[in-house]
Amino acid sequence: QLQLQESGSGLVKPSQTLSLTCAVSGGSISSGGYSWSWIRQPPGKGLEWIGYIYHSGSTYYNPSLKSRVTISVDRSKNQFSLKLSSVTAADTAVYYCARASGTGTYFDYWGQGTLVTVSS
Amino acid sequence: EIVLTQSPATLSLSPGERATLSCRASQSVSSYLAWYQQKPGQAPRLLIYDASNRATGIPARFSGSGSGTDFTLTISSLEPEDFAVYYCQQRSNQFTFGPGTKVDIK
Repeated sequence: QLQLQESGSGLVKPSQTLSLTCAVSGGSISSGGYSWSWIRQPPGKGLEWIGYIYHSGSTYYNPSLKSRVTISVDRSKNQFSLKLSSVTAADTAVYYCARASGTGTYFDYWGQGTLVTVSS
Repeated sequence: EIVLTQSPATLSLSPGERATLSCRASQSVSSYLAWYQQKPGQAPRLLIYDASNRATGIPARFSGSGSGTDFTLTISSLEPEDFAVYYCQQRSNQFTFGPGTKVDIK
């Protein structure tokens, strides 16, 4: 059974960079045909897709966040990471990592989520 | 960007009743629409993919229909564990989610 687990700093100061990692177990991130995404959810609000990375390393980001987002993959550790720069209070959210299906049209596995608060 | 609109925002029903949730896309998404259930403090759970296919382990009381711009999620008879928030999601050149429908106990 595939499992995803987010980790990283739960508190980030305004203007700094948010960094999270998603460890994948029960399967290889290098398996072809899947993309690996970050999705966030501000408290009490809906879901926003941030971006994804393929096993090959190619990426695609939400245009609204593109200038501040970097997603990378570490195949040796079977994990992928998110960096979001110049954060503000509006970036406070639960951050989820997720796998998109082989067809790339839906998310079939999710991590449990990690709350990141932006505050001085 | 394709915008998804969900209605109603809140649906108040009793256990055993039928729930009908709507998702409308601002332009055609073909059949590439998914539905998720989210309970407080939990990650979303995939229910339906490609408009009408139940995900692994999802009970038969959940069904999806539609294509193009109009989609429906139906829960034939609500169980106590079905009271939650439901999101639709599409993928065109990027992924977007609807704002959600909360199904609560009447």
